[in-house]
Amino acid sequence: DADVTQTPRNRITKTGKRIMLECSQTKGHDRMYWYRQDPGLGLRLIYYSFDVKDINKGEISDGYSVSRQAQAKFSLSLESAIPNQTALYFCATSDPGTFTDTQYFGPGTRLTVL
Amino acid sequence: QKEVEQNSGPLSVPEGAIASLNCTYSDRVSQSFFWYRQYSGKSPELIMSIYSNGDKEDGRFTAQLNKASQYVSLLIRDSQPSDSATYLCAVNSYPNNAGNMLTFGGGTRLMVKP
Repeated sequence: DADVTQTPRNRITKTGKRIMLECSQTKGHDRMYWYRQDPGLGLRLIYYSFDVKDINKGEISDGYSVSRQAQAKFSLSLESAIPNQTALYFCATSDPGTFTDTQYFGPGTRLTVL
Repeated sequence: QKEVEQNSGPLSVPEGAIASLNCTYSDRVSQSFFWYRQYSGKSPELIMSIYSNGDKEDGRFTAQLNKASQYVSLLIRDSQPSDSATYLCAVNSYPNNAGNMLTFGGGTRLMVKP
């Protein structure tokens, strides 16, 4: 079984709709992240959480919100989706107990906003 | 604004050749450097990390770091068609005890031709 899972894997929605992307992990990591990826722009950080009570905005948080329901679950919401939020979304986790604090990525959610 | 720059490519090399991928970064206090491989439509996968000036070798991969020049590179020896992917450079500008906040470059697309 995958260590980091994301649901749904693909989603098509309409402008103005509310949508939630979910991330679950079995790695036991405290730190979780949400990124979006657009062609040629690499990965950009939306929100990150270092533990259940610690949530922080990243580089591009406008139009997004998050919820850390448990150590293992971190959800990303688009309150009112717009077409320029069409992108590939990745969840990632990392373990601060290791020197490298390497980030491990989920399989991604491809979101299309019409 | 911290920046990580990569040539978007595509970089085309024949099978068996050495592929050289380059990355420059703007933040002089950057401490950790990572190379991720991403196949089309898939999630990034960590292939190398480097923290000290010089070379670090792992199998066919060699990462090179020059902090004075703010330059990190990845060499892939004996390139195979299966190495065809986008390679993302990521830079961590914080000490690990303050969190592993990565800034990603836009990626270089590598094509290895049989």
